[in-house]
Amino acid sequence: EAQVTQNPRYLITVTGKKLTVTCSQNMNHEYMSWYRQDPGLGLRQIYYSMNVEVTDKGDVPEGYKVSRKEKRNFPLILESPSPNQTSLYFCASSLLQATSSEQFFGPGTRLTVL
Amino acid sequence: QKEVEQNSGPLSVPEGAIASLNCTYSDRVSQSFFWYRQYSGKSPELIMSIYSNGDKEDGRFTAQLNKASQYVSLLIRDSQPSDSATYLCAVKTNQGAQKLVFGQGTRLTINP
Repeated sequence: EAQVTQNPRYLITVTGKKLTVTCSQNMNHEYMSWYRQDPGLGLRQIYYSMNVEVTDKGDVPEGYKVSRKEKRNFPLILESPSPNQTSLYFCASSLLQATSSEQFFGPGTRLTVL
Repeated sequence: QKEVEQNSGPLSVPEGAIASLNCTYSDRVSQSFFWYRQYSGKSPELIMSIYSNGDKEDGRFTAQLNKASQYVSLLIRDSQPSDSATYLCAVKTNQGAQKLVFGQGTRLTINP
């Protein structure tokens, strides 16, 4: 089954404790992206990657890191989480096409930073 | 001005009626437009995409695009309680080949 998976689905942590949220897709998509979703603010892009070893900042990159060592995986790293990073996080992937490619979303990770 | 704007709602529609959801965007050279449905606590799922002016129909859903007015809408005919969800408008801008900019979403409730 074609899908995007994320782990963990739920995480409660404390300020300053490094964490990684994994994202994996099995559709051989070049493009992968991380979003956060907050009430009243919608989905905002954190980082994206156009292919292996090619990553760039989205609209809200502060406090986050990413890597793309393999095509299928795109982990999101919070080196020193803070309470304002409490949010619902989505990973998405798509083919690299100019107009028509659909972005497929993972199931989401609900993160709470105390 | 936000890049993609939607009325956050909530929008309440009786079962069987037509639900009309609207979205405006600011980047005049945007090329691709998408409607995603998101149930509470779930991930967005694509229900419609539209790339050229006019109407595009898929079952009970019709997307309408007017690039001159920078306006895209989604009509849901014969609304069902299962259509109750938040609908996200997304626009692929010209800033990057794949960047999707989302509106904040419109919460739709279908009343039986």
